[in-house]
Amino acid sequence: QVQLQESGPGLVKPSETLSLTCNVSGGSITAYYWSWIRQPPGKGLEWIAYMSYSGSSNYNPSLKSRVTMSVDTSTSQFSLKMTSVTAADTAIYYCAGDLGASYFDSWGLGTLVTVSS
Amino acid sequence: QSVLTQPPSASGTPGQRVTISCSESSSNIGSNSVNWYQLLPGKAPKLLIFNNNQRPSGVPDRFSGSKSGTSASLAISGLQSEDEGDYYCSTWDDSLNIYIFAAGTKVTVL
Repeated sequence: QVQLQESGPGLVKPSETLSLTCNVSGGSITAYYWSWIRQPPGKGLEWIAYMSYSGSSNYNPSLKSRVTMSVDTSTSQFSLKMTSVTAADTAIYYCAGDLGASYFDSWGLGTLVTVSS
Repeated sequence: QSVLTQPPSASGTPGQRVTISCSESSSNIGSNSVNWYQLLPGKAPKLLIFNNNQRPSGVPDRFSGSKSGTSASLAISGLQSEDEGDYYCSTWDDSLNIYIFAAGTKVTVL
């Protein structure tokens, strides 16, 4: 397992872009498929996107038009950008890692992002 | 897109056995492994069971998983107060290459 730490603004205005970063430590960023997962208040987990260090990626079809992921091997970080946010995007956002076996064995603590004016 | 279905809630008294089911609308569970995650307040989500019935190092053997056809289940034996939280099953959708989560089950220790 690696250690993951999310960071980013806790408050984003409607229609603006949400930007989050996940710092990876205790392991190689090249070893995993990295994902972002969110949990809206009172609701379940929703997978958002994954990306490997080589750029292999995929996105949740329901969010694909608004989401971009990137992986920076030089800083051992990966990022999420979500455009045109609304109140429905208010959630705890988690970063997580999958060694390629289709399950997440490493998770961050999560960061709450509230979309409000 | 596959849909995974769990009961919204489950409960038991300390020491009891609680079972949570996870069923799928298509055949992804039948051809792919099911994994279970535990979400406790204020903690990072935790992988509880992977590949249907495997426990990561450090997960107590009170937790067990099984799968049959397009249904899977998580059992918690010897329920403890610290088990109170939310449990999610998850699988991989081969056709879309995406991860799928069920809506989760809230476990209450009475």
